[in-house]
Amino acid sequence: AQKVTQAQTEISVVEKEDVTLDCVYETRDTTYYLFWYKQPPSGELVFLIRRNSFDEQNEISGRYSWNFQKSTSSFNFTITASQVVDSAVYFCALSEMSGNSGYALNFGKGTSLLVTP
Amino acid sequence: GAVVSQHPSRVICKSGTSVKIECRSLDFQATTMFWYRQFPKQSLMLMATSNEGSKATYEQGVEKDKFLINHASLTLSTLTVTSAHPEDSSFYICSARKAGQGYNQPQHFGDGTRLSIL
Repeated sequence: AQKVTQAQTEISVVEKEDVTLDCVYETRDTTYYLFWYKQPPSGELVFLIRRNSFDEQNEISGRYSWNFQKSTSSFNFTITASQVVDSAVYFCALSEMSGNSGYALNFGKGTSLLVTP
Repeated sequence: GAVVSQHPSRVICKSGTSVKIECRSLDFQATTMFWYRQFPKQSLMLMATSNEGSKATYEQGVEKDKFLINHASLTLSTLTVTSAHPEDSSFYICSARKAGQGYNQPQHFGDGTRLSIL
């Protein structure tokens, strides 16, 4: 069963628009961690944020912000005033204490964001 | 800090060839490394968890005899795709977790290896 759902497969916006990438997760653990990674066309994974299940405060980092809602099991990511360089595939991931040994990440299927000039 | 080097970055070879991919943690020790596979426009799927000094743990559906993993030191894990076939063509990416750190810490990813089997 998919533990992390990113319902938006592809999003296309024009530069300077705001865009929100959705992430819904599923876990039975009370303690878990959520991550967002960016994968540009070159393929490497760039770590963006980590959030633990006990911290529901929203976080802002420059043009990026994250909204964690435990009640709806969502961890959405918003890019404000998008830029062409934001074009990439974005992955949401879950790490659970009760998961497989070594606590590998469960990734969503990713959302491909295209920002056009 | 926390740099993971993966080599080679790209491999093109004939069907039946065995290919070795290296994953090194350059500035930290990693007791656990993970190997993921990503098909085009797909998500990253965990193949196996590599533990230093012990046998790797493979995910369901991953053939351990085909994807040989060796984690002989705290800074190096290797994945060997034996007798590779076109269906093995994929993007393979490793990650490492610093020794002593748990599931709450971000994994550090290599830049990936794009494997193409002709």
